Amino acid sequence: GAGVSQSPSNKVTEKGKDVELRCDPISGHTALYWYRQSLGQGLEFLIYFQGNSAPDKSGLPSDRFSAERTGGSVSTLTIQRTQQEDSAVYLCASSLGDTGVREQYFGPGTRLTVT
Amino acid sequence: LAKTTQPISMDSYEGQEVNITCSHNNIATNDYITWYQQFPSQGPRFIIQGYKTKVTNEVASLFIPADRKSSTLSLPRVSLSDTAVYYCLVGDISGGYNKLIFGAGTRLAVHP
Repeated sequence: GAGVSQSPSNKVTEKGKDVELRCDPISGHTALYWYRQSLGQGLEFLIYFQGNSAPDKSGLPSDRFSAERTGGSVSTLTIQRTQQEDSAVYLCASSLGDTGVREQYFGPGTRLTVT
Repeated sequence: LAKTTQPISMDSYEGQEVNITCSHNNIATNDYITWYQQFPSQGPRFIIQGYKTKVTNEVASLFIPADRKSSTLSLPRVSLSDTAVYYCLVGDISGGYNKLIFGAGTRLAVHP
């Protein structure tokens, strides 16, 4: 079946512009995760959605970052007034989540470059 | 928050067994331990998950002692294609919210 898809695969934007990153999880997966990975670094957890419940946003690095998930499926990560330090690969994952940690299926990521 | 610690890098040779240990002293009662593999320019891929004792699947084994403050990923008879970064993930549920902590990752290099 189809895996997690993300779009765009690459995004180059100018400093100060807003960007939207999209994630389509695997059908039937109720949990959705966003991570950020800077070049050569580990994964930094950003936010987690479980079904239609409101996520806890305290993991987002600043108030320029926001995320939403419509209808318990597709998610959008928005970065406002982008800065050069926002340049990274943004990874989305989904899982059959209820409680605890479940096997996550990752998408290919969106490589964001802020110039 | 549960923090994880892994060796930064390891080297091995084809055919050898590789053991990578992750420390997670503050693991919570409900947390599972999950290991992922990541190749360059790809998202991480699930390897194995466990809660306690030993778990084995077709690619790896996971050993978790009784106190659950650490876990060891065991890769039997590695090949060149096992060269990758390996991440330990411990779920953290505290204060009414979920925050998943990945370790910094262990860069495994398998040599001919």
